[in-house]
Amino acid sequence: EAQVTQNPRYLITVTGKKLTVTCSQNMNHEYMSWYRQDPGLGLRQIYYSMNVEVTDKGDVPEGYKVSRKEKRNFPLILESPSPNQTSLYFCASSLKHPSYNEQFFGPGTRLTVL
Amino acid sequence: AQKVTQAQTEISVVEKEDVTLDCVYETRDTTYYLFWYKQPPSGELVFLIRRNSFDEQNEISGRYSWNFQKSTSSFNFTITASQVVDSAVYFCARTGANSKLTFGKGITLSVRP
Repeated sequence: EAQVTQNPRYLITVTGKKLTVTCSQNMNHEYMSWYRQDPGLGLRQIYYSMNVEVTDKGDVPEGYKVSRKEKRNFPLILESPSPNQTSLYFCASSLKHPSYNEQFFGPGTRLTVL
Repeated sequence: AQKVTQAQTEISVVEKEDVTLDCVYETRDTTYYLFWYKQPPSGELVFLIRRNSFDEQNEISGRYSWNFQKSTSSFNFTITASQVVDSAVYFCARTGANSKLTFGKGITLSVRP
């Protein structure tokens, strides 16, 4: 089944404890992206990747890192999480840039930073 | 940043009513793309439509229709004869030359039986 998977789905952690949220797609998509969703703010793009080893900042990259060593994986790294990073995170992928192709979203990861 | 504005935050209608969700965007690009996504209560995001800036034709898909007007920088979404299953948060989004995908804040639509 074609899908975008994220793990974990739910995570409660403490300030400063490094964490990684994994994202994987099995559709051989070139474009992958991370978003955070906050009440009243909609979805905001954190980072995106046009292809392997090519990443770029979205609108809210501060406090996050990403890597794209393989086509299928695009992990989101929080080196030192803070409470303002408590949010619902979505990973997404599309064959090429989403201007040209439908973007498929993962199920979301709800992160709470205490 | 080139914003996407969804001025309506919450809309409540009774089943079978028609409802229009507004979307206004800012852009300095000649070529850009506009989107609508649906987020039902289960939380997943579902793609509804993509429209490029050169195609101002309105589109209809079943009970859904979209009205794209470059003159007013708007890309409005109408649901005809709404149903309870249409209850969701709806996001409008745009992308342009900088490759970033910018979403509006979303409109929560509640359709009551």
